[in-house]
Amino acid sequence: DAKTTQPTSMDCAEGRAANLPCNHSTISGNEYVYWYRQIHSQGPQYIIHGLKNNETNEMASLIITEDRKSSTLILPHATLRDTAVYYCIVRVVGANNLFFGTGTRLTVIP
Amino acid sequence: EAGVAQSPRYKIIEKRQSVAFWCNPISGHATLYWYQQILGQGPKLLIQFQNNGVVDDSQLPKDRFSAERLKGVDSTLKIQPAKLEDSAVYLCASSQGQGIRSEEKLFFGSGTQLSVL
Repeated sequence: DAKTTQPTSMDCAEGRAANLPCNHSTISGNEYVYWYRQIHSQGPQYIIHGLKNNETNEMASLIITEDRKSSTLILPHATLRDTAVYYCIVRVVGANNLFFGTGTRLTVIP
Repeated sequence: EAGVAQSPRYKIIEKRQSVAFWCNPISGHATLYWYQQILGQGPKLLIQFQNNGVVDDSQLPKDRFSAERLKGVDSTLKIQPAKLEDSAVYLCASSQGQGIRSEEKLFFGSGTQLSVL
């Protein structure tokens, strides 16, 4: 699976959009981009995933660049409950496992 | 829908003792995973089951760790004897599929926090 690079930490003001970047320059054509988050004392929680096209669900939007070498997770209106570690993961077709890095610690500030 | 259940929530033992963790996945989920998460790091896969068979145990320290999923439903992870470096959160996860479709989502339990003194 391709490696990902994320900033160690980020802050975001409550009510503003949180934009979390991820670099995955060695991603191959059959690898999806997944985002999970882990709130303190809980297990990771699935947020969103995509292959080539931008995706949106009730939690977030995922923007993938045309060359697929990077992506951005967008939380449109961050709340205090969005404070968590966010993991960007690339995952090969047919593999169920997820390889976690150290993620980005997002702190939403009142 | 009930989530992935794990117990106990916390466990404190002394080194060289043994410990066991239990996981009950989401009903109907064929694949079950055990992850180890050391403080400040992301989770690392220890073992993956598909029904009651092992798919991947390449990262499991087999001299001291063992896991089973006898009836293809719930699972136990055991450490014997425990070392100081085994202090971590042990997470169980499950997914619905049979290991073929890449778009499978994993659902995680809240984990068991193990402290080895």
